Formats: sequence, C-alpha cells, structure tokens
Amino acid sequence: EIVLTQSPATLSLSPGERATLSCRASQSVSIYLAWYQQKPGQAPRLLIYDASSRATGIPARFSGSGSGTDFTLTISSLEPEDFAVYYCQHRSFGPGTKVDIK
Amino acid sequence: QVQLQESGPGRVKPSETLSLTCTVSGGSISSYYWSWIRQPPGKGLEWIGNIYHSGSTNDNPSLQSRIAISVDTSTNQLSLKLSSVTTADTAVYYCAKIRLHGYIDFWGQGTLVTVSS
Repeated sequence: EIVLTQSPATLSLSPGERATLSCRASQSVSIYLAWYQQKPGQAPRLLIYDASSRATGIPARFSGSGSGTDFTLTISSLEPEDFAVYYCQHRSFGPGTKVDIK
Repeated sequence: QVQLQESGPGRVKPSETLSLTCTVSGGSISSYYWSWIRQPPGKGLEWIGNIYHSGSTNDNPSLQSRIAISVDTSTNQLSLKLSSVTTADTAVYYCAKIRLHGYIDFWGQGTLVTVSS
C-alpha cells in the first residue's frame, strides 16, 4: 500500500504570501495524485487532479506540480478564504497540511 | 449535478455492525464509481473503499476484513457495513462519487457515527 507524507504539518502565513505544500509518496504514483482543501465543518473540495490539472471552478492561484514520488501544491497569493487544511490523495490520503494565519 | 446524502444511526455499540446508506440523486448510480471515506473528530481523512460499475470493490487493507460496500441500483443507493466496531471507528463518514484514478469530485455532507455503549 502506498503511503503519502505531507510537509510541513502546519504553515503559518499572511494573506498575500505564497504557500508551498509538499506531498511525498512511498513509491511512484506517476501523475495520479490529487489535492483537496477542507474547511472546518465542511466536506473536502477537489482542487487539483492528475498532479497539475485544476478542477472545475478552482482559481488560477492554485497550481500543482510533480510526478513519481514528489509533488507540490502552490497557492500563489493567499486569500483569506484559503486558510484551511490541504490533503493529497492517491487512493489513500496524506495526513494533511494546515495553512493558518500568521 | 449529482447529490449525495448519507443516513444511518448516529450511535453504535462496541462489537456491533455499523450500517450506513448513501442516497444518490441527480444521476444513475450505475453510471459512476463510488467511495466511502471517514474522518475521526479532529483528525485526517481515511479512505475506506471504492466500488465500481462491475460491482467489484477495492478496500483499505487495514479495514478489509471488516467492511462490505455494495450498490442497489433499484433504489439508487450505496451502502457500507463495518463489523466489530470499536471506539476507534467513531468518525464522520462520507460517501462520495469518484472519477477515473479515484479522484473525488462530489461528496456527501457526512454523518457522524459514535461508537459507545
């Protein structure tokens, strides 16, 4: 079973700053990785699939990159509504990265 | 667009079987793939299993011996059964529609199930 690890566990940033989140797989998953955003009390929302394709309605400030075992989610300029927990997924999920307000 | 609604008991006793139903509207259940995911309070997401057109399933190895996922096309419902529950199975349970490669594009609102005597 492929295990996903995410770093950092928490990222403290200010609105307008750039966020860089990492996800590493225990073995190659090619490009088959997704990213989700979850806010308190809500179900997660698909942001990125196939490592770098934005889901419908997702703003261009969200971008994904990587292949094989190393992946990155970048939020180019944080908006107030972007402070949330982010999970990567390849069948199972990573432990998540919380992006909170500095 | 597809909408999902989970239903079932909010409390289950230890050692009993947890049974949940997910009602699908806005589309035929036989046209898509489906998944169950859970999230213990204050913790991360855990994939439980997927079910495909053929009726075949793919389950989390850590839960495989205790879970059964099925689809009822006559009622457009998805179901999950988890046997021999313990307090560690307390979680919000989500049903979801998945795309190719298991990406989740529609989620139910989730239902909290507490395991307690």
